[in-house]
Order: sequence, then C-alpha cells, then structure tokens
Amino acid sequence: QVQLVESGGGVVQPGTSLRLSCEASGFTFSSYPLHWVRQAPGQGLEWVAVISFDGNIKIYSDSVKGRFTISRDDFKNTLFLQMNSLKSEDTAVYYCARDPFRGAPDYFDLWGRGTLVSVSS
Amino acid sequence: EVVLTQSPGTLSLSPGERATLSCRASQSVAGSYLAWYQQKPGQAPRLLIYGASSRATGIPDRFRGSGSGTDFTLTISRLEPEDFAVYYCQYYGGSPLITFGQGTRLEIK
Repeated sequence: QVQLVESGGGVVQPGTSLRLSCEASGFTFSSYPLHWVRQAPGQGLEWVAVISFDGNIKIYSDSVKGRFTISRDDFKNTLFLQMNSLKSEDTAVYYCARDPFRGAPDYFDLWGRGTLVSVSS
Repeated sequence: EVVLTQSPGTLSLSPGERATLSCRASQSVAGSYLAWYQQKPGQAPRLLIYGASSRATGIPDRFRGSGSGTDFTLTISRLEPEDFAVYYCQYYGGSPLITFGQGTRLEIK
C-alpha cells in the first residue's frame, strides 16, 4: 500500500526541540523529493521545507529557516524534520508529502495523515 | 512574490448544483504551475488538479480546472454529497517556492 505515516508529534514547551518522522511504504522512496507542510488549527496550509530525492538540496520557508532541519534516510524509507527553538506559532498539524518529480518543487501527489505539534507553556 | 487569493471564502450550494471556485494570483503565473486540493475535516489534503487543468489519478471528471495567467478556476459540475469540503489552490512556480491560497469552504445549503 502506497502511504506516508507521520509520527513524533506532541506537546512541548517554547524553546524546546522535537523530531518528526515520516515513514514511507509502497513506492521507491529514494526516487522522490519530499516536503513538510503544516496547518495551524483552523487555518490553511503552509509549506515548510523540501528535500531533493538525493538529499543534496534542502530549502526552507522563511518562517522556519535556521530552526528546522529536514533530512532523509533512504535505507529506512523515512523522512525527518528536526525542529529546534520551537515557538507557539509552530503549533500545527505537520504533514509529509511526496513530490512526483525530481526537478523544481511541484505539487504533492501523496500526503500522510499528519502529526500534531503543540507548543505551549 | 506570488500571493494567491481564493474566493469566495465560503460557498453554500446544494447537491446537484454547479460550483465555481476562484483562485487569483497577484502576478502572472508562469507555466500554469497551479494545483487544487480538497480537504475534508480531520483528513490530509487530496490532489485534484495539477498544471491548472490536469486531473489527478482517480479524480472524477466532474472536477475541472481551468485558467492561466492570474485567474484560475475549479469547477465542480454537479455536486455530490462527498464534495463538500475545503478547497485550496497552490502555486509551485518558484517565488515563493510554494504557496497556498487561504481556502474556500464549500458547504451544503
């Protein structure tokens, strides 16, 4: 079954760190760029970061640049998002999403169900 | 920097009616790099349309994307009960890298 499954969310205090994971199955993980997209409660979608299929290119939104790090482990078919110096405005459901092409970032043809991160004191 | 504005914010219609959702870009979108997604409560977004007018795999033909330049439209020809959801447009052409519209809520009248 072709799917992405996120994990690692939870309730944390401002200034702390959290690491999200996204495990893929049913497709050749190493062939695809992957993204993180988040959605604050009751709000719209916000793109967070992308990693190229080979892991060499990583691009971040301005809102997380310098605090978040995207990475991948192709042996474990897993995408990661290391989130440091968390702020209340990082509270959101975090989705991992597959990009169908290796070139410039595109649309997302496969999404996980998301994991909730809540940053609160 | 491209900003996407969706209208209306909420659209109230009945099953069987035709829905027309708009997505306007703040500047001309090169290459029709525009996608549409459907999101139901508690679920992840689902890709409907890419390249402004190409339907994703498994999407019924009652969903139609159109437009170019700054004005894009998602049309649902005859609403089914399962179509009531929130719809987002997305630009993936470069600056910013990826951006979403704020969404249109399609609700049952």
